[in-house]
Amino acid sequence: GENVEQHPSTLSVQEGDSAVIKCTYSDSASNYFPWYKQELGKRPQLIIDIRSNVGEKKDQRIAVTLNKTAKHFSLHITETQPEDSAVYFCAASTRDYGGSQGNLIFGKGTKLSVKP
Amino acid sequence: DTGVSQNPRHKITKRGQNVTFRCDPISEHNRLYWYRQTLGQGPEFLTYFQNEAQLEKSRLLSDRFSAERPKGSFSTLEIQRTEQGDSAMYLCASSLQATSKFFGPGTRLTVL
Repeated sequence: GENVEQHPSTLSVQEGDSAVIKCTYSDSASNYFPWYKQELGKRPQLIIDIRSNVGEKKDQRIAVTLNKTAKHFSLHITETQPEDSAVYFCAASTRDYGGSQGNLIFGKGTKLSVKP
Repeated sequence: DTGVSQNPRHKITKRGQNVTFRCDPISEHNRLYWYRQTLGQGPEFLTYFQNEAQLEKSRLLSDRFSAERPKGSFSTLEIQRTEQGDSAMYLCASSLQATSKFFGPGTRLTVL
């Protein structure tokens, strides 16, 4: 089955710097890759997603890149702010866009700390 | 509030007791998912419904766990004979067919 590895597990940056989180996946059939932000004690919130027919997607300070050949995808946050501090999860899904048979496989998360 | 809702938000129970959680998805969403999250880990898939049909179950879903979505709207997750290892956050998510999944606030279960 699918396996998603996420690195680093913790990341500390200064406010204004960029942050990059990387994930690799094992199943070449995976075709949907969302990123979720989870603040302490709150629900995971979808922040951006990418489908396998595109290589990059950007939404303001957040961008995601996908390399299907290497089976890895990355989250890039520019001009980080203290409110970006949270745990970020990558995930992968096969077959259907957005769900396959419903099975989103998550990475273990990256705790991002943005220091003022 | 038009988001995914879950009840109760917190549940403390003694080992061996049964518990039931409820999830109300976003109204027009036909897919509903249950995940479990333990501290420091990403959500783990448990099961998934499309309308009232349960289409997939993870091997994490032992025979003590059962989920239903009788009318294709809300869903319940029941855990029988709870064990301390069942302590976790139980998350529900919904989506419209193959679109993005949106999570509920979760039910935090503590088994004493």
